[in-house]
Amino acid sequence: GAVVSQHPSWVICKSGTSVKIECRSLDFQATTMFWYRQFPKQSLMLMATSNEGSKATYEQGVEKDKFLINHASLTLSTLTVTSAHPEDSSFYICSARAITGGIGYTFGSGTRLTVV
Amino acid sequence: QQQVKQSPQSLIVQKGGISIINCAYENTAFDYFPWYQQFPGKGPALLIAIRPDVSEKKEGRFTISFNKSAKQFSLHIMDSQPGDSATYFCAASMEGYQKVTFGIGTKLQVIP
Repeated sequence: GAVVSQHPSWVICKSGTSVKIECRSLDFQATTMFWYRQFPKQSLMLMATSNEGSKATYEQGVEKDKFLINHASLTLSTLTVTSAHPEDSSFYICSARAITGGIGYTFGSGTRLTVV
Repeated sequence: QQQVKQSPQSLIVQKGGISIINCAYENTAFDYFPWYQQFPGKGPALLIAIRPDVSEKKEGRFTISFNKSAKQFSLHIMDSQPGDSATYFCAASMEGYQKVTFGIGTKLQVIP
């Protein structure tokens, strides 16, 4: 079945530094990838939608200059949290939709970001 | 605006019992209703999904019941096991529209 690999699974960084999270579709090509943020005991909040070769579409209230998304190929999307602060600490999850269409989504295993 | 309302937020069921989680939606344009299972520290995994042209779908111990007129759908877990303890999210989306709308989640605990 479709597999999405997300790396790293956890990361601790100092305030003011940047962190990059990778999301790879291993056995399928994904024209569209999604980035979510999940706070403890809460639902997934969509941050942005990235389409291969074009700019990401950010949800209302999400700072595009802080959360940089790049989808340079059909199998890789990256989320960079720039100048991270403790309030950015959260669980970040990506998901991907196959190029073959349909509306099934496969999720990555998530990245736990802790900013100290 | 919460487009998919999920209840209960937490549920405790004894081993062997039936776990029932309910969801209601508002947007009649939704045409795909998946359920996701999430274990702590992991991403959600697709459990089972249904389209509105059927009223029920069963996969093993998991069944989705769908009531189009009431705009409601539910997940039934038969013979619940401790390994089923996880958070379950219902969701809804529509063909041609990329976003998936998630319910708030239900934390299920199956006790021996």
